[in-house]
Amino acid sequence: QLQLQESGPGLVKPSETLSLTCSVSGASISSSNDYWHWFRQPPGKGLEWIGYIHYSGTTYYNPSLKSRVTISVDTSKIQFSLKLNSVTAADTAVYYCARPRSNNLHEAFDIWGRGTMVTVSS
Amino acid sequence: IQLTQSPSSLSASVGDRVTITCRASQGISNYLAWYQQKPGMAPKLLIYGASTLQSGVPSRFSGSGSGTDFALTISSLQPEDFATYYCQQLNSYPLTFGGGTKVEIK
Repeated sequence: QLQLQESGPGLVKPSETLSLTCSVSGASISSSNDYWHWFRQPPGKGLEWIGYIHYSGTTYYNPSLKSRVTISVDTSKIQFSLKLNSVTAADTAVYYCARPRSNNLHEAFDIWGRGTMVTVSS
Repeated sequence: IQLTQSPSSLSASVGDRVTITCRASQGISNYLAWYQQKPGMAPKLLIYGASTLQSGVPSRFSGSGSGTDFALTISSLQPEDFATYYCQQLNSYPLTFGGGTKVEIK
């Protein structure tokens, strides 16, 4: 059964780069033809979509974050990563990786990681 | 595409029928999903395609609507249903969510 697990530093200093990894178990990123997504949720607030990567390496980002975001796939094809540079306190949030029900860009998300809290503070 | 959920919060009793609405700023066909989120947990998919129940989700949950107006109904509220509910549009990118509806115990 497919499972996702986020990992990375829980504390990042302002102006530095936030780096997170989503480990995939129960499936291979390189053979699934799936889209792999990142979301985030500031404390006490709603959900925001960050971007996705296709197993081929194609990416698409939220225009509100596009200038600061990079999503990549690990060459071993068992994890994908999120980098967000020039962070501020507004980037403090729980970050989730997720996969939609099928390899369709209009599908809902049935598989989510448990989320990882990242705090931006000096 | 902006999604406006209402109400933002509600108080209800076990056994009550509860309806949450979600209005899109433009037509999104039936590309709408509903999620349930409990504190400290990831969102859980309840409904996709506006009205299709996700596998394993109790039949007391139902979704309706198309175009710009959608609703999530819980026919008989159970203790485990007290949570925050979000709608999400999947018609176009960037994907967006409604602001959430917190369902609390009366």
